[in-house]
Amino acid sequence: SQQGEEDPQALSIQEGENATMNCSYKTSINNLQWYRQNSGRGLVHLILIRSNEREKHSGRLRVTLDTSKKSSSLLITASRAADTASYFCATGYNYGQNFVFGPGTRLSVLP
Amino acid sequence: EAGVAQSPRYKIIEKRQSVAFWCNPISGHATLYWYQQILGQGPKLLIQFQNNGVVDDSQLPKDRFSAERLKGVDSTLKIQPAKLEDSAVYLCASSAFQRIETGELFFGEGSRLTVL
Repeated sequence: SQQGEEDPQALSIQEGENATMNCSYKTSINNLQWYRQNSGRGLVHLILIRSNEREKHSGRLRVTLDTSKKSSSLLITASRAADTASYFCATGYNYGQNFVFGPGTRLSVLP
Repeated sequence: EAGVAQSPRYKIIEKRQSVAFWCNPISGHATLYWYQQILGQGPKLLIQFQNNGVVDDSQLPKDRFSAERLKGVDSTLKIQPAKLEDSAVYLCASSAFQRIETGELFFGEGSRLTVL
């Protein structure tokens, strides 16, 4: 299975701190995507990093990809209470059956 | 730009009853997906459409689930008869592209099903 596995399963931090979550996968990919899901809502795309990229930034988000270790990390800097959500990585080389979401990391940012 | 629309947002039914969910994707998006998300888990693909054709339905429990995409736009997912284990959020997503290299998925708010 190409399923990404996020780590940790749950993370609780104070507002203003940085939050780091990791994703590991098993087979070769074309890209890796991170999504956020607020409670009771749909998923929102955060960032896409291609297999030939090592690092990507978007606002307070920083994503790294290490294809040799088959892992990625998502860093949220200066976290806010509004960042409280579940974060999913999705990996694969095509959409559909081969594009698989992990179980997610539940982030709680305490004010 | 309007997002992916889904209805109903919530549905409670008894086991063995039937239910239908509706999805209207972003205008112009050729690819449409239905995902099932059980509480505490990541979304699991049920079916993928490209225009009005099925690309992948290998994980759709075809004895009870069915889906169609009329005229390559709106889609309906039906469950009949429902089982307790079908309690989940049913997410619809659309994309302008079929291949993963080129784009992201846009999700609707989901339809939460509770089977009693």
